[in-house]
Amino acid sequence: SQTIHQWPATLVQPVGSPLSLECTVEGTSNPNLYWYRQAAGRGLQLLFYSVGIGQISSEVPQNLSASRPQDRQFILSSKKLLLSDSGFYLCAWRLAWAYTQYFGPGTRLTVL
Amino acid sequence: QQQVKQSPQSLIVQKGGISIINCAYENTAFDYFPWYQQFPGKGPALLIAIRPDVSEKKEGRFTISFNKSAKQFSLHIMDSQPGDSATYFCAASKAGGGADGLTFGKGTHLIIQP
Repeated sequence: SQTIHQWPATLVQPVGSPLSLECTVEGTSNPNLYWYRQAAGRGLQLLFYSVGIGQISSEVPQNLSASRPQDRQFILSSKKLLLSDSGFYLCAWRLAWAYTQYFGPGTRLTVL
Repeated sequence: QQQVKQSPQSLIVQKGGISIINCAYENTAFDYFPWYQQFPGKGPALLIAIRPDVSEKKEGRFTISFNKSAKQFSLHIMDSQPGDSATYFCAASKAGGGADGLTFGKGTHLIIQP
């Protein structure tokens, strides 16, 4: 069966510091991968998606970037965090030909 | 531009009652409409989903009603239980062959009172 992991589970970072969040999927090959951010009262916002290694599409301009160095690994990064980057970051995957999208457990990021 | 509008923002229902959450979409290219359930501090979990070729789908106590002409869909939770207390999100996406992610509503915080 497929499993999706995210780490760290929680993170507190000062403004201006770098960020690296990691997501890995087990039990499947060549999944579509997604990063979402959830802010209080604003639902889930799609940040990035990837259909393959090195292929990244950005949905919104922001202080963040994404990379996919391996088939089942998706990384969310920032060079300098802003207060507005605080939120709950969720990674998700689905098979390219399927509809159902599965979410990871999330990372709670607080920028102080 | 918010493409999926969800209401109400919060909902309180007595145990055993029916919980109803509504969503409306704008993009006629959407053809997949899932509902997700999320507990505090956890990732969303798929609850039930529908495609526009059917008007209703039922799984246990959960039913999706879909009105293609009105571009609306709703979630009905029958015999609501305290364990159903969670945040519910409707979402929509385009055809499965594309890479697009889901467009979410803003969520409904549901409380089932015992």
